[in-house]
Amino acid sequence: EIVLTQSPATLSLSPGERATLSCRASQSVSRSLAWYQQKPGQAPRLLIYDASNRATGIPARFSGSGSGTDFTLTISSLEPEDFAVYYCQQRNYWLFGGGTKVEI
Amino acid sequence: QVQLVESGGGVVQPGRSLRLSCAVSGFTFSNSAMNWVRQAPGKGLEWVGVISDDGSNKYYADSVKGRFTISRDNSKNTLHLQMNSLTTEDTALYYCARDLGGYAFDYWGQGTLVTVSS
Repeated sequence: EIVLTQSPATLSLSPGERATLSCRASQSVSRSLAWYQQKPGQAPRLLIYDASNRATGIPARFSGSGSGTDFTLTISSLEPEDFAVYYCQQRNYWLFGGGTKVEI
Repeated sequence: QVQLVESGGGVVQPGRSLRLSCAVSGFTFSNSAMNWVRQAPGKGLEWVGVISDDGSNKYYADSVKGRFTISRDNSKNTLHLQMNSLTTEDTALYYCARDLGGYAFDYWGQGTLVTVSS
């Protein structure tokens, strides 16, 4: 079973700053990785699929990179609405990482 | 617009059963694989299982295998999750989600809460 480890668990930043979130797989998943955003009381929202493809309607400040075992979600300049929990997910039995909370 | 609306959640005693439903509109349901994902209170996301577009293939997380069954009715644009032998570990918000061609989950419902408690 492939395990996804997200770091850091919590990221404390201010609006306008750059956020860099990491997701590491226990073995290679090629580029089969997605990122989601979840705000309190809401369902997750797909941001990125196939490591670097933005989903429909996702702002350009969100970008994904990586392949194999190491992946990164970057938010180039945090907007107030970006403070949320972010999850990565891989396609092998659709397992999720534990999440990174981006807080003000 | 796309809508996924879950229903059927509630409070149930350990060992009992519950059936969840997900009513879909706004896309061609019969062309889409569908998933169930759950989230225990204050915890992360856990994939539960997937069913192919025609219902012929189903896969489950180890934690629910043998107890949960996913089914679908393409004539009614509805997805189901039959949950048997429930335990307190199954307490969670259950989401249905569309499979984006095997890449990710692009549409999600708002979830239905299942509480397993005596």
